[in-house]
Amino acid sequence: NAGVTQTPKFQVLKTGQSMTLQCAQDMNHEYMSWYRQDPGMGLRLIHYSVGAGITDQGEVPNGYNVSRSTTEDFPLRLLSAAPSQTSVYFCASRDSLEETQYFGPGTRLLVL
Amino acid sequence: DAKTTQPTSMDCAEGRAANLPCNHSTISGNEYVYWYRQIHSQGPQYIIHGLKNNETNEMASLIITEDRKSSTLILPHATLRDTAVYYCIVASGDGSYQLTFGKGTKLSVIP
Repeated sequence: NAGVTQTPKFQVLKTGQSMTLQCAQDMNHEYMSWYRQDPGMGLRLIHYSVGAGITDQGEVPNGYNVSRSTTEDFPLRLLSAAPSQTSVYFCASRDSLEETQYFGPGTRLLVL
Repeated sequence: DAKTTQPTSMDCAEGRAANLPCNHSTISGNEYVYWYRQIHSQGPQYIIHGLKNNETNEMASLIITEDRKSSTLILPHATLRDTAVYYCIVASGDGSYQLTFGKGTKLSVIP
């Protein structure tokens, strides 16, 4: 199993540009989520999904959209990037019968 | 979810036990205590969790006080690879879908 994979590893955007951060898992986990981590801070939940076709907002959802068309994929879209969205983004997944969340390696985003 | 309080940083000599405390005085009856760690900006890694009984796995032990208002994560023989930020998180069995990370404890294992 590859576990949770994220692409790209690093991205530079200009203010106003849009992009999609990709997240995929091959463990058939129902639950997936996106977090952001700012320097020196803990992770904050952006959006999450408890299954295909179901998404909900986390603590800091503004400026981000998600969709969950398949169990495996959970992309995060930035519609109009802002410097405040400069951060490291982590995707995670979890099986509904387990307590462990598995995190991806992260995407480092810089918005100029 | 209940809030947690952890020391900002700790040092531990290599080969010695590392004891990381966490206060969670407002924990509810159905909330678990989870520990994750993050090594050098990698994705967080699950360590252990418990409800009220002490727990042990291949990575660590978790000691929860009888009143459940605090807990201690024990790494029995710390190595340099254990240098990381350790997060203590309290969440319900269902709410563990949504983990609330604080700033954690920066553990430095010293040779």
